[in-house]
Amino acid sequence: NAGVTQTPKFQVLKTGQSMTLQCAQDMNHEYMSWYRQDPGMGLRLIHYSVGAGITDQGEVPNGYNVSRSTTEDFPLRLLSAAPSQTSVYFCASCRGGWNTEAFFGQGTRLTVV
Amino acid sequence: GENVEQHPSTLSVQEGDSAVIKCTYSDSASNYFPWYKQELGKRPQLIIDIRSNVGEKKDQRIAVTLNKTAKHFSLHITETQPEDSAVYFCAASYTGANSKLTFGKGITLSVRP
Repeated sequence: NAGVTQTPKFQVLKTGQSMTLQCAQDMNHEYMSWYRQDPGMGLRLIHYSVGAGITDQGEVPNGYNVSRSTTEDFPLRLLSAAPSQTSVYFCASCRGGWNTEAFFGQGTRLTVV
Repeated sequence: GENVEQHPSTLSVQEGDSAVIKCTYSDSASNYFPWYKQELGKRPQLIIDIRSNVGEKKDQRIAVTLNKTAKHFSLHITETQPEDSAVYFCAASYTGANSKLTFGKGITLSVRP
């Protein structure tokens, strides 16, 4: 099992550009989520999904879109990048709900200039 | 929604000493409390968790205690080693619809050789 795989690992965007952060898991986990990590702010939930076709907003959803067409994939789209979106992004998945172990991807370090 | 707080934001201990990291939570419905360790440049990984029907759980040098009445839980690390230096996140969630995994802001533990 590869676990949770995120691509790319690093990305530099110009303000206003759009891009998609990819997240895939091969553990057949129903629950997937996206967090952003900023210094002193911890891990803040952006969007999450409890199964294919079901998504919901987390704590900081503005400027981001998600979709969940398959159990395996949960891409995060930045619609029009802003410097405030400079952060490290983590995708995570859980087997049977948020009260089980969350497995994280290796992270994507995004810089918006 | 749930609010998880960690204090202080940094902790420095001498190698061999014990370290205690405390978290508080706000939602009395929360019943699952994991701790994640994040080494520099790496992804967060689960090190121990506790459910609300248990007051304490141990795994070698680490333990977690839960006080449901006071709504706080603590991570205890004994005989600290330099490799324990990392950021530690506490989190909380509950079983059921609309549940999410909410993290604290993290604490940076430094173990001085």
